[in-house]
Amino acid sequence: KQEVTQIPAALSVPEGENLVLNCSFTDSAIYNLQWFRQDPGKGLTSLLLIQSSQREQTSGRLNASLDKSSGRSTLYIAASQPGDSATYLCAVQTYNTDKLIFGTGTRLQVFP
Amino acid sequence: DAEITQSPRHKITETGRQVTLACHQTWNHNNMFWYRQDLGHGLRLIHYSYGVQDTNKGEVSDGYSVSRSNTEDLPLTLESAASSQTSVYFCASSVSGGYNEQFFGPGTRLTVL
Repeated sequence: KQEVTQIPAALSVPEGENLVLNCSFTDSAIYNLQWFRQDPGKGLTSLLLIQSSQREQTSGRLNASLDKSSGRSTLYIAASQPGDSATYLCAVQTYNTDKLIFGTGTRLQVFP
Repeated sequence: DAEITQSPRHKITETGRQVTLACHQTWNHNNMFWYRQDLGHGLRLIHYSYGVQDTNKGEVSDGYSVSRSNTEDLPLTLESAASSQTSVYFCASSVSGGYNEQFFGPGTRLTVL
């Protein structure tokens, strides 16, 4: 059974820092991995999707990498800003299904 | 613009009542999903559908049902609401066939008293 873990559960950093959020999964047979952002009381916004054949994806200050063989993904946020404060969720789509399995998220706070 | 909407956004009901949460998407996606989000558990899959007349159980399906009569809608019904079903419910949709992004609705906050 696929299990997804995110470390750390919470992170508080000063503005301007570069930071790394971690996601690990137990079954490497995946179609893709998605990173989402969730603001308090809101829905999920898709940030990046990495297909199983890819090693990384970039969007603005965000870079996500995928090492399928070791069951790990990292989300790198460059030059963090207070507006980046949110919960970040990763989810994997296990091979041969269209379902997502979610981690429990990392709550990020960036203070001025 | 295509979107996915949920209604109501907030609902308070009593134990034992039947409740239906609506989900409507204009992406023309074949796949639709219902999740619940609870502290400490993250998002868990309740039911999902890969197309019209197709429905499948997820990991926490007890006490819930869905039906898919058209491409756009997947209503979620709580047959007899229980306090343990107090949660935030999210609907999502995606193109079928793997490798595709899921898009999420804004969520419905349900309180069962």
